[in-house]
This record gives sequence, C-alpha cells and structure tokens, in this order.
Amino acid sequence: DTEVTQTPKHLVMGMTNKKSLKCEQHMGHRAMYWYKQKAKKPPELMFVYSYEKLSINESVPSRFSPECPNSSLLNLHLHALQPEDSALYLCASSQGVYRGQMSSYNEQFFGPGTRLTVL
Amino acid sequence: DAKTTQPNSMESNEEEPVHLPCNHSTISGTDYIHWYRQLPSQGPEYVIHGLTSNVNNRMASLAIAEDRKSSTLILHRATLRDAAVYYCILRDNFGNEKLTFGTGTRLTIIP
Repeated sequence: DTEVTQTPKHLVMGMTNKKSLKCEQHMGHRAMYWYKQKAKKPPELMFVYSYEKLSINESVPSRFSPECPNSSLLNLHLHALQPEDSALYLCASSQGVYRGQMSSYNEQFFGPGTRLTVL
Repeated sequence: DAKTTQPNSMESNEEEPVHLPCNHSTISGTDYIHWYRQLPSQGPEYVIHGLTSNVNNRMASLAIAEDRKSSTLILHRATLRDAAVYYCILRDNFGNEKLTFGTGTRLTIIP
C-alpha cells in the first residue's frame, strides 16, 4: 500500500468554525508533513513530524495546530481561519531521518489534498 | 537550501522526447537532485533523483552535468498524461526532511 489518504476532499468553513483535516498512511513511514498550496503556486511546507514529534514548524500561525496521534495518522486542527487561508492542503509521508542521515530513497508520498475554502 | 532555476513553461508534441532543464549553480556536495511532478488536481509525485551519475527508471531519465551545476529530466516519449508541473529540487542528504519546491516548469503536451 503506497497510498496517503486525506479527508475530507473538500471543506468549506466560516471564520469562527473549528474543523480538522486528517491524513493517514500505512507504509510504515516515520516522517509526515503538511503543505499549503495556493492556486498556481508551488506547495509550501508548514509542519514536519518525525517519529511522532514536531520537528519543523515553518512559522505557521497558531490558528493551524498539527497533531500526530500515532505514526500512521496526522491531523491539522483549524480554528479562526481567515479567507486568505483558503488553499489546497497536502499531506505527505516519507521514511524519515535515521541517525542524522536520510536514505537517498527518502521520497515523499503525497495525498490528493483537501481543498479548503474559508468564508 | 540551494536554489534551482527552471523555465516557467514548455510545450512538446505527443510521442516525442521532452528535455526539461534545471540550473542549480550553488549545489553543494551532499545535495541530491530530486524531481517531482504534479498532475492537475493531484498531489505531487516523485519522479526520479540522482547525485552524480545519470539515472534511469520506468518514468524518466535524469542527466546530470559533470560539474553538477545543471541537470535535465528526460521523458523519452511524452503522452498526454505527462502534462504536469515538474519541480526540480535540491535536497541535502545530511539535512532535515524539508523539501523546498521552486516554481517549476509547466509542461503542455500537444496532441
């Protein structure tokens, strides 16, 4: 199984709502990622979890709150978002870094994304 | 992260080879060259990667210049399904897990 699944596919929320995006992989990967992608732009890294610990936060506003309950699951909790946060949110996973070195085959597997619209 | 430069867009005829260039003049000795592509309405997918030698896999070939300051992704026989944005990314094998996407090349395949 080389698939990363994301739910929901689409989400519309108001600025006062609280919602969560979910991501799951069963490849035994120990690194999981959240990216944000605006239309016609490249994906931008938001967070990296390595061995269920947050290892990278790219100065993301606190209205985005990531959570990694176990090695297979990654959540992104959303609260008090702004219309400019509307974007495609991509989850990815990879084998991860072990003893300070990545395997050269540490490719990232991406999910199809959640299209988020904030009204 | 070292920077890559790619043309914004390219066109190619169906069933012909496509050569997608990437310049990375500030590449360091431990940087691998990775290529990902993003088909319309999908997440990015890994294509190929290499360090110094040319590489082949079922999707594409990667030709790396001797000085490693540039590389070329080669699709041997483009199909309509290869229409995508292709990203050339440098990744330090001794760094962290970050993958920094540049602007990429939007490849259009002409039937």
